[in-house]
Amino acid sequence: DADVTQTPRNRITKTGKRIMLECSQTKGHDRMYWYRQDPGLGLRLIYYSFDVKDINKGEISDGYSVSRQAQAKFSLSLESAIPNQTALYFCATSDGGQGDTDTQYFGPGTRLTVL
Amino acid sequence: KQEVTQIPAALSVPEGENLVLNCSFTDSAIYNLQWFRQDPGKGLTSLLLIQSSQREQTSGRLNASLDKSSGRSTLYIAASQPGDSATYLCAADQTGANNLFFGTGTRLTVIP
Repeated sequence: DADVTQTPRNRITKTGKRIMLECSQTKGHDRMYWYRQDPGLGLRLIYYSFDVKDINKGEISDGYSVSRQAQAKFSLSLESAIPNQTALYFCATSDGGQGDTDTQYFGPGTRLTVL
Repeated sequence: KQEVTQIPAALSVPEGENLVLNCSFTDSAIYNLQWFRQDPGKGLTSLLLIQSSQREQTSGRLNASLDKSSGRSTLYIAASQPGDSATYLCAADQTGANNLFFGTGTRLTVIP
């Protein structure tokens, strides 16, 4: 079984709809992240969480919100989806250790299309 | 704001060739530099992480170097194989909080 899972894997929705993307991890990591990937722009950080009570905005948080329901679960919501939020969304985790251990582990991604 | 650039955007090489992928970053005050691999339809897989105090890291046929003063990192792949075909991404950790700034990647194709 995969250590970091994302649901759904693909989603097509309409402008104005509320969408939730979910991420679960079995690695026991404290830190979780949400990124979006757009062609030609690379991955950009949306939100990150260091534990259940610690949530921080990333580079491009406008139009998004998150919820850390438990150590293992981190959800990303689009309150009112718009077409320029069409992208590939990735969840990642890390253990927050020092040195070489702070590697990020990524889920398989969710492809979101907003019409 | 940190900007990370990867050149070339795409690279094709014959199997067995050694190759170098380049990554440059504008702000040298980084905590670490990370290299990832991305396969189509899949997430990213971490390859190597170089701390700011280190000059290089090695894993199997991969060697990553870091020159903070010049804002550059390279990923060296020895004896390339078709299975190495993927997009390679570098990312700079600017704050030590693992807030990564990613480059746009180099798409590598190794021709059998």
